[in-house]
Amino acid sequence: AQTVTQSQPEMSVQEAETVTLSCTYDTSESDYYLFWYKQPPSRQMILVIRQEAYKQQNATENRFSVNFQKAAKSFSLKISDSQLGDAAMYFCAYRSGGSNYKLTFGKGTLLTVNP
Amino acid sequence: NAGVTQTPKFQVLKTGQSMTLQCAQDMNHNSMYWYRQDPGMGLRLIYYSASEGTTDKGEVPNGYNVSRLNKREFSLRLESAAPSQTSVYFCASSVRGASYEQYFGPGTRLTVT
Repeated sequence: AQTVTQSQPEMSVQEAETVTLSCTYDTSESDYYLFWYKQPPSRQMILVIRQEAYKQQNATENRFSVNFQKAAKSFSLKISDSQLGDAAMYFCAYRSGGSNYKLTFGKGTLLTVNP
Repeated sequence: NAGVTQTPKFQVLKTGQSMTLQCAQDMNHNSMYWYRQDPGMGLRLIYYSASEGTTDKGEVPNGYNVSRLNKREFSLRLESAAPSQTSVYFCASSVRGASYEQYFGPGTRLTVT
C-alpha cells in the first residue's frame, strides 16, 4: 500500500519570503500522480499543484513550484513571496495511475505566515 | 456552477442514532468519493464510486454505507452512530481517470455524543 509522509507538522515563514514543505511517499508503481492541496481555515480543500510521475519537468503554478525527485520519492512544495493568504494546512497526496481511484493523503503541514 | 455541495454543514447525533449525509455535484463528473478528516490524520477514504452504479470500499468503510443515487448524487449513511465517527466528512468528485483532480465539497462537521 502506498504511504505519504509529511515530516513537518508545522512551519512558519515571514511574509514575502520563501518556504519549502516536504513530502515523501512510498510506492512500487511507476505510473502515478502527486498533488498538493491547501486547506485554509474555511475548511475548503483547494488544489495547489499537480505533478505527473512520467514528467521530468517540475510543475509550477505562479508562486508555487515543486521539486519532484522520483528516485528519492520526494515531492516538496516551494512557496515564493509568501502572502498572508497562504496560511493554511497543506496536504500532499498520491494517486495511482491504475484503476484505483483513491487519493492517499499525508497528515498535513500547518503553515503560518508572519507579517 | 455550485460545484460540490454537501448537507448538512453541522450535525450532532447521539450514540445509536442514524443519519445520511448528502452530496451532489453539477460538474458532470463520473467519480465521487467520501473522506473523513480527523485531527492529525489527514483525509482517509471511506467509500468511492468510480461511475454511476458502482461503489467500492476505501480505507475506513466500517460503520458506513453509501448509495450512488444517480450521476449527480452520492450519499453516506451512518446506521448506528458511534463517538468514533465524530469527524469532518468531505465529499469529492472528479472526471474518471487518475490524472484528474478531485473537487471537494465544504465538509460536514459531525459530532456523536
